[in-house]
Amino acid sequence: EAQVTQNPRYLITVTGKKLTVTCSQNMNHEYMSWYRQDPGLGLRQIYYSMNVEVTDKGDVPEGYKVSRKEKRNFPLILESPSPNQTSLYFCASSLMPDTGELFFGEGSRLTVL
Amino acid sequence: AQSVAQPEDQVNVAEGNPLTVKCTYSVSGNPYLFWYVQYPNRGLQFLLKYITGDNLVKGSYGFEAEFNKSQTSFHLKKPSALVSDSALYFCAVREGKLSFGAGTTVTVRA
Repeated sequence: EAQVTQNPRYLITVTGKKLTVTCSQNMNHEYMSWYRQDPGLGLRQIYYSMNVEVTDKGDVPEGYKVSRKEKRNFPLILESPSPNQTSLYFCASSLMPDTGELFFGEGSRLTVL
Repeated sequence: AQSVAQPEDQVNVAEGNPLTVKCTYSVSGNPYLFWYVQYPNRGLQFLLKYITGDNLVKGSYGFEAEFNKSQTSFHLKKPSALVSDSALYFCAVREGKLSFGAGTTVTVRA
């Protein structure tokens, strides 16, 4: 089954404790992206990757890091989480970055205390 | 700069009635337009897209959308809504990067 898998789905952590949200896709997509969803703001892009070893900042990259060492994986790293990073996070992938539809993971709900 | 607006936070309709979810956009060139749906506790799912060609685009679950260049709109429509269509709907526009609207919550009452 074609899918984007995120882990963990739910996480409660404390300020400053490094965490990683993993994302993996099995569709051989070149394009991958991270979004955060906040009420009334829709989805905002954090980082995206056009291909292996190619990453770039989205609209709200501050406080986040990513890496793309393999085509299928695109982890999101919060080196020192803060309460304003409490949000619902989505990983997505696409075959064609411009015209292709995005396939989304189920989401990771992060709470930073 | 590109932008996309969904002017209604909520849309309420009775089952069997037509459903319209509005979307307007602002771009400097030719846009690529998308609609996604999000069911509770799920990720977004692709419904349909307009890239070029026929202004009326048909998508999943009986939804369609009409691209109107003069009004810079891309409204989502369904002729007869179902209770199961209750969800959060997002319009998105791509001109270079992809931008999402804030979302419209659709409630279909039985």
